[in-house]
Amino acid sequence: SQQGEEDPQALSIQEGENATMNCSYKTSINNLQWYRQNSGRGLVHLILIRSNEREKHSGRLRVTLDTSKKSSSLLITASRAADTASYFCATDNTGTASKLTFGTGTRLQVTL
Amino acid sequence: GAVVSQHPSWVICKSGTSVKIECRSLDFQATTMFWYRQFPKQSLMLMATSNEGSKATYEQGVEKDKFLINHASLTLSTLTVTSAHPEDSSFYICSARGQGRGRVTFGSGTRLTVV
Repeated sequence: SQQGEEDPQALSIQEGENATMNCSYKTSINNLQWYRQNSGRGLVHLILIRSNEREKHSGRLRVTLDTSKKSSSLLITASRAADTASYFCATDNTGTASKLTFGTGTRLQVTL
Repeated sequence: GAVVSQHPSWVICKSGTSVKIECRSLDFQATTMFWYRQFPKQSLMLMATSNEGSKATYEQGVEKDKFLINHASLTLSTLTVTSAHPEDSSFYICSARGQGRGRVTFGSGTRLTVV
């Protein structure tokens, strides 16, 4: 399956700053999800945005979706050192929200 | 709710041996489970989809005789890496979806090192 591309591949910011990660994908989708992965660990679901939604918020997270450009962005506001992790977008074109195609990921480093 | 346990969390084995990884849904019945592998600093690649009581569906390029998947019950799926070689060393992650549930829940992953 074709993976999506994420940029940047790596991002280093200071605590308190905002972090923006972008994801582009190739096929039409039913929904797009963002996950977080700490080094060597499993994935934690962050947020799901459906294809008919344009923006979604959850706490310090803001996700946008532009289906015409086949792209999404994840914004983490007021970052904390504990936000240091890899972030992946994942698309679902089956409508089940379960068979996912993952992007290449962004490694975020938040320093004090 | 929606907890998926994966075991072992890490394993080291010798070349030529087989390794079994378990993925259990602890508080729901998982009608479908997915197995992914992840190389260092790379993304997750779907290997196969398993439905309870039926044969797994493998993604293109994944050897079904090498990566045996069994989903014999609604709470357990296993992935067996047969005749493991060093190139099979990777991080394997499962996810599970229950009947009527929306998104999946991921296990914590298994780090396999073949020496």
